[in-house]
Amino acid sequence: DAGVTQSPTHLIKTRGQQVTLRCSPKSGHDTVSWYQQALGQGPQFIFQYYEEEERQRGNFPDRFSGHQFPNYSSELNVNALLLGDSALYLCASSLRSYGYTFGSGTRLTVV
Amino acid sequence: QKEVEQDPGPLSVPEGAIVSLNCTYSNSAFQYFMWYRQYSRKGPELLMYTYSSGNKEDGRFTAQVDKSSKYISLFIRDSQPSDSATYLCAMNKGSTLGRLYFGRGTQLTVWP
Repeated sequence: DAGVTQSPTHLIKTRGQQVTLRCSPKSGHDTVSWYQQALGQGPQFIFQYYEEEERQRGNFPDRFSGHQFPNYSSELNVNALLLGDSALYLCASSLRSYGYTFGSGTRLTVV
Repeated sequence: QKEVEQDPGPLSVPEGAIVSLNCTYSNSAFQYFMWYRQYSRKGPELLMYTYSSGNKEDGRFTAQVDKSSKYISLFIRDSQPSDSATYLCAMNKGSTLGRLYFGRGTQLTVWP
């Protein structure tokens, strides 16, 4: 049973560019959350999608947007990249219960 | 002040030692408490979760929650080199769709 799959695993972008990260949730899971983990820090909540709608949002600017598709997969888009956006981006899925399953993340480097 | 505080360590212990990891929090609305383990270049993996105050044991791991003190702990008995990882505490406010609030993680090394 595949867990949470994220792509790409690594990405290097230039300041000002836009990036799209992708997530396929664990089979049977319908809720997807995105987290940003800076080096040496704990994950910070970006937003959560359920039934193709953004249900909750953390303290992130509008440059961060997302989408959930009918098959429950999700995308995270970041516009106008800043150096400070360099981090590990984690996707977590769940089936409305505790014990989110995390993917291995996408490591984004902004230069 | 962050809502969840966790000493980042690093913590280095010999194999077989008992390890104690701790977090404090400020928001009394937190009701579910979790511990995640994160190996290098991997996503966090859920180890244990508890609801409200009390203890929970799973093999070599014991989680404790003291809501009156806003303090949670994870104990690892008979630590192994394979336990070397970063341990993250996390908590949320009781909704099954609730966002997780993480500590910054404690880096643990168990040496043979």
